[in-house]
Amino acid sequence: EAGVVQSPRYKIIEKKQPVAFWCNPISGHNTLYWYLQNLGQGPELLIRYENEEAVDDSQLPKDRFSAERLKGVDSTLKIQPAELGDSAVYLCASSFGGGNYNEQFFGPGTRLTVL
Amino acid sequence: AQSVTQLDSQVPVFEEAPVELRCNYSSSVSVYLFWYVQYPNQGLQLLLKYLSGSTLVESINGFEAEFNKSQTSFHLRKPSVHISDTAEYFCAVSEAGGFKTIFGAGTRLFVKA
Repeated sequence: EAGVVQSPRYKIIEKKQPVAFWCNPISGHNTLYWYLQNLGQGPELLIRYENEEAVDDSQLPKDRFSAERLKGVDSTLKIQPAELGDSAVYLCASSFGGGNYNEQFFGPGTRLTVL
Repeated sequence: AQSVTQLDSQVPVFEEAPVELRCNYSSSVSVYLFWYVQYPNQGLQLLLKYLSGSTLVESINGFEAEFNKSQTSFHLRKPSVHISDTAEYFCAVSEAGGFKTIFGAGTRLFVKA
């Protein structure tokens, strides 16, 4: 069974440029999460989807960040424009069911560097 | 709101020695507790979890953790570590009836030969 796939694995951009990250969850997993992981910190939730509906986006900085999960399968997270402080690892995870007692399966992450 | 604290950012230990990675949480309601492990260049993966029942939970590779409600702790232990256990370990907590999982800052376990 394929795991959670993320691309790209690494991205280097200049500040004020746009950037997009893509995630394909495990087949059949209806819940998808985007997390931000700063150096030396644990993952922090940005947005959670149940199928195609964003059910928790309270931590997503909506002035520059956007996300979509069309058709309730893969998802894209976008930053426009990027700032220096956005340098971090962006993690995607999925689970079968949205209960917070469920195991989350994580992708390897996208490491973003903003110069 | 729940929170979780991992008291050690790094734990160096010699191979075959015992190890304990500490985790304390804060919550006003019942909780679910998790340990995730992240090996180099890989995603986080679940190591073990406590949902209910027996307070001692075990993983397939020899780790165990004990839910201590009075101490609000969920420390991870292994009696004898291997080089291959070198990784970052994240403790996480979810509140029963809630939707979020909160992760600690992680503890980097470094096993030396």
